[in-house]
Amino acid sequence: DVKVTQSSRYLVKRTGEKVFLECVQDMDHENMFWYRQDPGLGLRLIYFSYDVKMKEKGDIPEGYSVSREKKERFSLILESASTNQTSMYLCASSPDSYQETQYFGPGTRLLVL
Amino acid sequence: AQTVTQSQPEMSVQEAETVTLSCTYDTSESDYYLFWYKQPPSRQMILVIRQEAYKQQNATENRFSVNFQKAAKSFSLKISDSQLGDAAMYFCAYRSFTRKSTFGDGTTLTVKP
Repeated sequence: DVKVTQSSRYLVKRTGEKVFLECVQDMDHENMFWYRQDPGLGLRLIYFSYDVKMKEKGDIPEGYSVSREKKERFSLILESASTNQTSMYLCASSPDSYQETQYFGPGTRLLVL
Repeated sequence: AQTVTQSQPEMSVQEAETVTLSCTYDTSESDYYLFWYKQPPSRQMILVIRQEAYKQQNATENRFSVNFQKAAKSFSLKISDSQLGDAAMYFCAYRSFTRKSTFGDGTTLTVKP
């Protein structure tokens, strides 16, 4: 079974803090994704990576950065957290083909105070 | 840019009955994949079913089937013999050769005993 894990299920941070969200997959997938999920807005792509050290901006990259130093690990960084970044963050991975499904992690619910 | 629209924010169905969730999309591409994902309450998002755009035949997976109308850009999900475990939020997603996915806003399905 494909396993995608995220470092925290729940996180509470203060405005201005630097926040790291980590995602690890165990299936040697080339592609990894970070989404945020907000009620009524579905899933919106923040960044994705199609290979180690490679990244592409998604639809809402502002205020976020990512790092992929190893194939199995994809980190989302909030350089200076703001209250409007309070959300559910979902990580996903997939093999390198658009025919393939994405496998999702359990999500991290982030609250920025 | 592609868009995916799920016009039903909420749906309900009686146990053992059939329900259809709607999804329309907009694209200028000819080759793509469409997916339905299920997100049970507080659980990970998982794939329900997928459809290849160049295939005329509608995909089926046990009690789940799709009605894919390429010309109309419509991709509805039919759940037959609904079960309590089908209660979840369902997302329609479009994925192209760019590897990116576009998701709809989701439909919350309630199953009544």
